[in-house]
Amino acid sequence: GNSVTQMEGPVTLSEEAFLTINCTYTATGYPSLFWYVQYPGEGLQLLLKATKADDKGSNKGFEATYRKETTSFHLEKGSVQVSDSAVYFCALGITGGSYIPTFGRGTSLIVHP
Amino acid sequence: DAGITQSPRHKVTETGTPVTLRCHQTENHRYMYWYRQDPGHGLRLIHYSYGVKDTDKGEVSDGYSVSRSKTEDFLLTLESATSSQTSVYFCAIRGQGKDNYGYTFGSGTRLTVV
Repeated sequence: GNSVTQMEGPVTLSEEAFLTINCTYTATGYPSLFWYVQYPGEGLQLLLKATKADDKGSNKGFEATYRKETTSFHLEKGSVQVSDSAVYFCALGITGGSYIPTFGRGTSLIVHP
Repeated sequence: DAGITQSPRHKVTETGTPVTLRCHQTENHRYMYWYRQDPGHGLRLIHYSYGVKDTDKGEVSDGYSVSRSKTEDFLLTLESATSSQTSVYFCAIRGQGKDNYGYTFGSGTRLTVV
């Protein structure tokens, strides 16, 4: 079956620090990969996505590269801000296969001034 | 915001009463999902729909039923609410087409069963 594993949180950083949140996956078929962000009291919002191997998704200074050889989709940002404090979810969906997405458990990010 | 709304946003209900949550989309998408989110459990799929009157169970479907009589509406019913169903409920839709592929979530319904 399909699964997504994220690093445990919370991740606590100072403002302007470098961020990495690890995500690895197992999948049958050809997955598309996603990162979602959830701010307090809100729903999940799509942050970025990649639909095939070696694609790089990027948005709002965040990046993630679809690495088929390591089955990974790590989220990175060069300089975090307090406003980036949120919960981040890695997810996959199988194009042409089951239409049920698979989500990781989420990683809480706390950024201090 | 992305054509998906949930109602109500907040609800408090008593144990044993039926409760219906509504998800409405304006995107005409085929796939819709209901999740619950609880601390320590992440997102758990309750039910999903792949078309009008076509629904199936997710991993935590006991105590819940759904209906989809129109493309735009997906209703989640707690037949007899229990305290274990206190949670935040999210509806989601799946985009169609190569450039629109992804899942869009509603803002959630916070349900408290007392």
